[in-house]
Amino acid sequence: GQNIDQPTEMTATEGAIVQINCTYQTSGFNGLFWYQQHAGEAPTFLSYNVLDGLEEKGRFSSFLSRSKGYSYLLLKELQMKDSASYLCAVMDSNYQLIWGAGTKLIIKP
Amino acid sequence: SQTIHQWPATLVQPVGSPLSLECTVEGTSNPNLYWYRQAAGRGLQLLFYSVGIGQISSEVPQNLSASRPQDRQFILSSKKLLLSDSGFYLCAWTDRDTGELFFGEGSRLTVL
Repeated sequence: GQNIDQPTEMTATEGAIVQINCTYQTSGFNGLFWYQQHAGEAPTFLSYNVLDGLEEKGRFSSFLSRSKGYSYLLLKELQMKDSASYLCAVMDSNYQLIWGAGTKLIIKP
Repeated sequence: SQTIHQWPATLVQPVGSPLSLECTVEGTSNPNLYWYRQAAGRGLQLLFYSVGIGQISSEVPQNLSASRPQDRQFILSSKKLLLSDSGFYLCAWTDRDTGELFFGEGSRLTVL
C-alpha cells in the first residue's frame, strides 16, 4: 500500500527552528508537496520538491531524498502565526496526491 | 489570475437529508477538479476527481456523488446524509504544468 508518515504534533518556541519530517512509500514518485493549514481553513501551498536537495524560500526550506523516501520541512525564526498543521503529500505514478495526516505545530512564546 | 470558490462555508444537516456543495473555478480552462474530505485529525481523503465535463472518477465507495455540468463547475451531492459524512470538504484544482493543488475555502458539514 501507499503511506505517508509524519509526526502528529510538535511543539517549538517562538524564534527557534523546527524540522518536520515526512517519510513515504508510494507507487512511483512525481514530486513531494508541503502545505500549511491553519485551523478551520483550507491548505495553502508551501513548497514542491521533485529533485534531491534543499529548496529554500525565505524562512521555510524543504529537503528531499528520493532514495530514502524522506523529506523535511524546516521553519526558521518561528513566529506565532506559524502555529498550524503542516501536510506532506506525494504525487504517485498516476499523478494522484497521497496525503499524510499532517503535523500540528504548536508555537509557544 | 485563477480563483476557486466553494459554498456554502458551513452546513448543519439532519441525517437522511440531501446535500449539495458547489465549486467554481475562474481564470483557467479545462482544469482537473477534485473533492476531498478531511475528518478531524486525519489526512485529506480524495473523494472524486474530474478531468473534464461529465468525466468523474470515484475513489471511495460511499453515498456521495459528484457531477461536472460545466467546465469550471464541480458539484458534490448526496441523496441521504449519514452521520459519518460530517467533515471538512475541500474542492481543488491543479495547475497541469506544476501539479500544484489550489484549494477552495472549504465547507464544514455537520450531520446531526
